[in-house]
Amino acid sequence: ELKVEQNPLFLSMQEGKNYTIYCNYSTTSDRLYWYRQDPGKSLESLFVLLSNGAVKQEGRLMASLDTKARLSTLHITAAVHDLSATYFCAVDKLIFGTGTRLQVFP
Amino acid sequence: DSGVTQTPKHLITATGQRVTLRCSPRSGDLSVYWYQQSLDQGLQFLIQYYNGEERAKGNILERFSAQQFPDLHSELNLSSLELGDSALYFCASSVGASGSMIDTQYFGPGTRLTVL
Repeated sequence: ELKVEQNPLFLSMQEGKNYTIYCNYSTTSDRLYWYRQDPGKSLESLFVLLSNGAVKQEGRLMASLDTKARLSTLHITAAVHDLSATYFCAVDKLIFGTGTRLQVFP
Repeated sequence: DSGVTQTPKHLITATGQRVTLRCSPRSGDLSVYWYQQSLDQGLQFLIQYYNGEERAKGNILERFSAQQFPDLHSELNLSSLELGDSALYFCASSVGASGSMIDTQYFGPGTRLTVL
């Protein structure tokens, strides 16, 4: 059974700092997705990563995929308050992780 | 506004009942996805339709069914409802040129279902 683990589950960080969210999965997968969900809102697709070594960037967020390690990372650069949200990864046929709740404070 | 609409926004019903949730995709999108989000189960993918055909199935219960109509809108039918079915149900759409699930998905605002 495919399992997806995210860590940390909760992240409180100061504006301007960098941090990384990790997404580990238990069996091979040829695709990995990242989503964002603002409190009380719907979901937003961020990235789809399709191959080993894939890297995608949008603004202060950069996602990468290492299929051999079964690991994806979502790196946050110089965090701003607007990035406060819950971030989910999902693999294969959309098996989701538990989410990482990010809170950015001044 | 993602361009994906869902109705109703809220639904309150009783155990044992049946409800239908509706989703209208963005203009031109061929794929529709359904998701369930609850405190107990987290976020789960239920099912994907592409141009009227079922394309991928996730953790969808046998009591649940979906379809996509010729005009590409989709309905999710939930029957014999249980308390544990209380959740947010999202749909999303994508261009889905091949139904391969690698296109950007655009999410609707969700339907909040409460089963009493």
